[in-house]
Amino acid sequence: GDSVTQMEGPVTLSEEAFLTINCTYTATGYPSLFWYVQYPGEGLQLLLKATKADDKGSNKGFEATYRKETTSFHLEKGSVQVSDSAVYFCALNSALSGGTSYGKLTFGQGTILTVHP
Amino acid sequence: DAGVIQSPRHEVTEMGQEVTLRCKPISGHDYLFWYRQTMMRGLELLIYFNNNVPIDDSGMPEDRFSAKMPNASFSTLKIQPSEPRDSAVYFCASSLGPGADTQYFGPGTRLTVL
Repeated sequence: GDSVTQMEGPVTLSEEAFLTINCTYTATGYPSLFWYVQYPGEGLQLLLKATKADDKGSNKGFEATYRKETTSFHLEKGSVQVSDSAVYFCALNSALSGGTSYGKLTFGQGTILTVHP
Repeated sequence: DAGVIQSPRHEVTEMGQEVTLRCKPISGHDYLFWYRQTMMRGLELLIYFNNNVPIDDSGMPEDRFSAKMPNASFSTLKIQPSEPRDSAVYFCASSLGPGADTQYFGPGTRLTVL
């Protein structure tokens, strides 16, 4: 079945440090890939997404590139801020070959990021 | 739009009681999802609906859990009888369609079963 594996957390960084959160996946067909973020006490919200190989998703200074050859979708940010402290989830939505897709997302276990001033 | 609305935000109940969680999806969204989040198991999909019809309920833990979507603007998740191990945050999410469409999450209901 489909699965998503994220790097173990928690991750603790100083403000302005470089961030990488690794994500690899196993899926049938042609999945779309997502990063969601959950701030304390809130629901998840979409951070960025990529729908096909070599696509780069970006938002709020975060980037991730869909690498089919390595089945990866690593999240990066060049300079983190205290306000980026949150839990980050990598997710995929599988698609049957031919483009018909399932409705549900498969999530990784989440990575807690804490940024100190 | 107000986003996905969930109620109540917090629920504390005693073991054996019936619990009903409610969700109003974003207007026009055809898909509705119920998730459960715990420290031990992370984020789990319980069930999802397409056009008010349950499509996949393989994540529903047992017969004590049931979900309904009587119309496009309302869904319930019921636990009867509740047990302490049901304590979790329950999220509802909706999306326009499947595939690459973004899922929009509600704020969640934090359930504590004593």
